[in-house]
Amino acid sequence: AQSVTQPDIHITVSEGASLELRCNYSYGATPYLFWYVQSPGQGLQLLLKYFSGDTLVQGIKGFEAEFKRSQSSFNLRKPSVHWSDAAEYFCAVSKAAGNKLTFGGGTRVLVKP
Amino acid sequence: GAGVSQSPSNKVTEKGKDVELRCDPISGHTALYWYRQRLGQGLEFLIYFQGNSAPDKSGLPSDRFSAERTGESVSTLTIQRTQQEDSAVYLCASSPYQNTQYFGPGTRLTVL
Repeated sequence: AQSVTQPDIHITVSEGASLELRCNYSYGATPYLFWYVQSPGQGLQLLLKYFSGDTLVQGIKGFEAEFKRSQSSFNLRKPSVHWSDAAEYFCAVSKAAGNKLTFGGGTRVLVKP
Repeated sequence: GAGVSQSPSNKVTEKGKDVELRCDPISGHTALYWYRQRLGQGLEFLIYFQGNSAPDKSGLPSDRFSAERTGESVSTLTIQRTQQEDSAVYLCASSPYQNTQYFGPGTRLTVL
């Protein structure tokens, strides 16, 4: 069965600093990988996805993620964080496009002024 | 265009009562999913509908949970004889065939 681990439950970062959120997955074949963001009281918004091809994926709001098969990782990065990036971030995996998603436990990001 | 909508946004019920949660998917999306998010936890898959195929019910936690979908339209998630552990946010998502899932705002269920 597939699984996703987000090792960091909370991360605090200063506004303007860089951010990296870790995601490790367990799945026997090539996974479909996603990052979603959930702002307080909001539903989940897709930041980016990896299905195949270039392992460095660009998303919305200035986020990018890199798929590293050798490390079973799909870490999310942003070079310069804005106060509006304070939210909870979820990494997810599925075994095919359109299949059910398995989510990690989430990482809550706090942004200090 | 309109996104996924869910109703009610909040539901408070007493233990033992039945509840129905509704999801209106994005028009034209063939797939519909239900997930549950307990406080401080990630999302758990509950059930998945794809067109006229038999639904994938593998995530339903007990036989008190059921869901229906008519064609490619509205879905209803029903929880019978609610328990306090059913308190959670229930999220619905829809997607075009074999594509990205788009989530609704969720229904927050509180069982007293």
